[in-house]
Amino acid sequence: QPVLTQSPSASASLGASVKLTCTLSSGHTSYSIAWHQHQPEKGPRYLMNVDSGGSQNKGDGIPDRFSGSSSGAERYLTISSLQSEDEADYYCQTWGTGFHVFGGGTKLTVL
Amino acid sequence: EVHLLESGGGLVQPGESLRLSCAASGFTFTNFAMSWVRQAPGKGLEWVSDISGSDDTTYYADSVRGRFTVSRDAPKQTLYLQMNSLRAGDTALYYCARRYCNSVKCYFFDSWGQGTLVTVSS
Repeated sequence: QPVLTQSPSASASLGASVKLTCTLSSGHTSYSIAWHQHQPEKGPRYLMNVDSGGSQNKGDGIPDRFSGSSSGAERYLTISSLQSEDEADYYCQTWGTGFHVFGGGTKLTVL
Repeated sequence: EVHLLESGGGLVQPGESLRLSCAASGFTFTNFAMSWVRQAPGKGLEWVSDISGSDDTTYYADSVRGRFTVSRDAPKQTLYLQMNSLRAGDTALYYCARRYCNSVKCYFFDSWGQGTLVTVSS
């Protein structure tokens, strides 16, 4: 099964942009992933899925400020024009027959 | 609009059982695989179990296999998780999630519930 690695924390200023990274383990670099946002006291929210070619499909109502991309084993989530409500934990997820794997999550702080 | 509402959480002692429910609405329940995902206090998300929409095939994480059973009641549009032999390590917020599916297979989680808290403690 793949292992997904995320930095534990990230920070950026209000109105700025931030790029979060999810790295797939060796031998699993062709996997697609999904990004989920988890705000405090709420259920997670599906943002988008990103394939190895960088194609993305966003969930309903996800603002254009959120975008995804890929390069090799890395999958990215870029958030532009940061707002205070973007402060949350962000998880990447991948899947296969009989399993799902999450990255450890990145806690995003909006300064 | 897709809506998932978990219930059934609570405080139990080690070794006891609990059954969680997830009431689904806003979509054709039998067309989608469904999952349980949990988050222990201070930890990240952990997949627990899957059940397919087509033939009720089930899958489990190693940490719960043999103790937890996932099932679904199509007419009631409800997903269940029967949890037996509970341990302190099962303490977590349990989320119900729907998997995005097309005519070929199912993929990522595309909708989530709000969660129900399970606490296992003596």
